Amino acid sequence: AQSVTQLGSHVSVSEGALVLLRCNYSSSVPPYLFWYVQYPNQGLQLLLKYTTGATLVKGINGFEAEFKKSETSFHLTKPSAHMSDAAEYFCAVMYNAGNMLTFGGGTRLMVKP
Amino acid sequence: DSGVTQTPKHLITATGQRVTLRCSPRSGDLSVYWYQQSLDQGLQFLIQYYNGEERAKGNILERFSAQQFPDLHSELNLSSLELGDSALYFCASSVQGGEFTEAFFGQGTRLTVV
Repeated sequence: AQSVTQLGSHVSVSEGALVLLRCNYSSSVPPYLFWYVQYPNQGLQLLLKYTTGATLVKGINGFEAEFKKSETSFHLTKPSAHMSDAAEYFCAVMYNAGNMLTFGGGTRLMVKP
Repeated sequence: DSGVTQTPKHLITATGQRVTLRCSPRSGDLSVYWYQQSLDQGLQFLIQYYNGEERAKGNILERFSAQQFPDLHSELNLSSLELGDSALYFCASSVQGGEFTEAFFGQGTRLTVV
């Protein structure tokens, strides 16, 4: 069965520090990969996606992620955290275009002043 | 604004009751997906419709059903509600004109069963 693992249900960083949220998927076939962000009482907003091509993808709000096939990983990073980045982040995979998303358990990011 | 509209935003109902959640996808999107988000189960895929036809089924209970209408809006019907059905229900849409796009999510309907 397809699965997505996000290491760390809670991550706390100081404002200005590096943000690293980890995501690993289980599959021998590279899927489409996504990061979504959910602010309190809001829906899911797409941060970035990997479908094909360049393995380093840049998204909104200064986030980027790198697809590493050998490690089956798609970690999300941001060089400098901002207070407004505090939210829940979800990694998701899709195994065929247009099919459903399988989500990881989510990581709540807290940013300390 | 994702372009996906869900109504109502909040719903409080009693156990045993039936409710209908409504979703209007982005203009031109043919696929509608329903997801359930709860504290214990996380984000779970329920069901997908594509251009009026059921395409995929996930962990959807038999008490739940959905449909997609000719105008592409979708409804999720939840019946014989139990306390454990309390959750945030999201609708998403994608696949515009036959070409894959990412899934765009609505703001969700928060269902509370009391």
